[in-house]
This record gives sequence, structure tokens and C-alpha cells, in this order.
Amino acid sequence: DSGVTQTPKHLITATGQRVTLRCSPRSGDLSVYWYQQSLDQGLQFLIHYYNGEERAKGNILERFSAQQFPDLHSELNLSSLELGDSALYFCASSPTGTRNTEAFFGQGTRLTVV
Amino acid sequence: LAKTTQPISMDSYEGQEVNITCSHNNIATNDYITWYQQFPSQGPRFIIQGYKTKVTNEVASLFIPADRKSSTLSLPRVSLSDTAVYYCLVADNYGQNFVFGPGTRLSVLP
Repeated sequence: DSGVTQTPKHLITATGQRVTLRCSPRSGDLSVYWYQQSLDQGLQFLIHYYNGEERAKGNILERFSAQQFPDLHSELNLSSLELGDSALYFCASSPTGTRNTEAFFGQGTRLTVV
Repeated sequence: LAKTTQPISMDSYEGQEVNITCSHNNIATNDYITWYQQFPSQGPRFIIQGYKTKVTNEVASLFIPADRKSSTLSLPRVSLSDTAVYYCLVADNYGQNFVFGPGTRLSVLP
């Protein structure tokens, strides 16, 4: 158990819908990272938040947004969903804002868009 | 952005040493190299990280040559439980470089 909690574990929704994925980082960790993992794209970095502020953006679509709240939990919002958005979404956390520290991953949310 | 390549798969036998190489030809000065292990239906798990030369911890060693255009993860005496996908990650501390390799599926046979 990494200490990072993601909910829900599974999500099935229809095209065009909007969903929210939630991540609770390890106690004391200030950084939260979001990743998308699909068969054809592999592990893709989406976005990094540190202590409530966006630190870096990766391959995140404009239909996707995220935020980190004062209690340090984070949410990833996916809207206007398409079939191609079906993937595993991982959240990871680390103690500092520098990315070259060990990051701890949650178990992921498996999103299926039908 | 750094582009990374890895072998798609490797087979080994229990007790052998396994070396998995990641190529990152256009690695930047500020980039570090990190390796993660992933089992099915689980999130990746940190193995080791380095910048140059050699780093060793209780589970693996990481070799990075002087030009840093590649890195090799070395797993000593693998067991069946080391069967997993191994990813290299090239990332800098604060910028936009954050690129995972495609992953190497390691199968350890009895």
C-alpha cells in the first residue's frame, strides 16, 4: 500500500459525459501528479501540482482540468468524454516540489467510455 | 523533450542477473533518470534514480555512462516475483521534461 488513495477504482460512462477522479496523497506529501496509461500511448504525464499550485503541464487535453485543494487532495476533471479517453488514470504524490524524488503511485482509476 | 526507447520484452531465468537498457539520446543537462516497476492492475513503484555514474540500493543498480545517453537497470538474481513491466523516466526538476519510456516486459522463468 503506497498510501495514495484514488477513487473511484472503476468508472464506466458514456461519450460526452463529464467525470471527476479524486486523489488523496500520502500524509505530508505536497506534490500530486496525474498520469494517463493506455495501451497505445503508454504512461503519459498529464499535470503536476505542488501545494495547491500548478507546477507543470504535460500532454493534458483542453477538455481535462485538475486542481489541488488546501487539504492537498486533488481532482482530475474529464469532460466531453470520447472513446479514446478510456484508460487507467494514476495519481502519484511526493514530499517536495522537485520531481526528482521518489513518487508514490495510487492503484489507479480505470475509466471506460462507452 | 527527451525521447526514450527500451526493449519491448526480455526473458530471464530465476537467479540470473538482468540488465535492461533505456536509450535517451537527447537527454538534457538537468534531467534525472528514474526507473519504475509495474505489476498488472497496480500503479508503478519506484526502484532507483540517478544522474550519472552508478547508483546502488537494496534492490537494484543503475549505470549511467558519461554521455548520459543511455542508462541500464541491473537486477541481481531475479526471482519469479520480479516478472513485471519496467519503465525508465527522464525528467528534470521543474520544467516540462517528463517522459516515460515505453516499458520493458520482463518475464522470469523457473
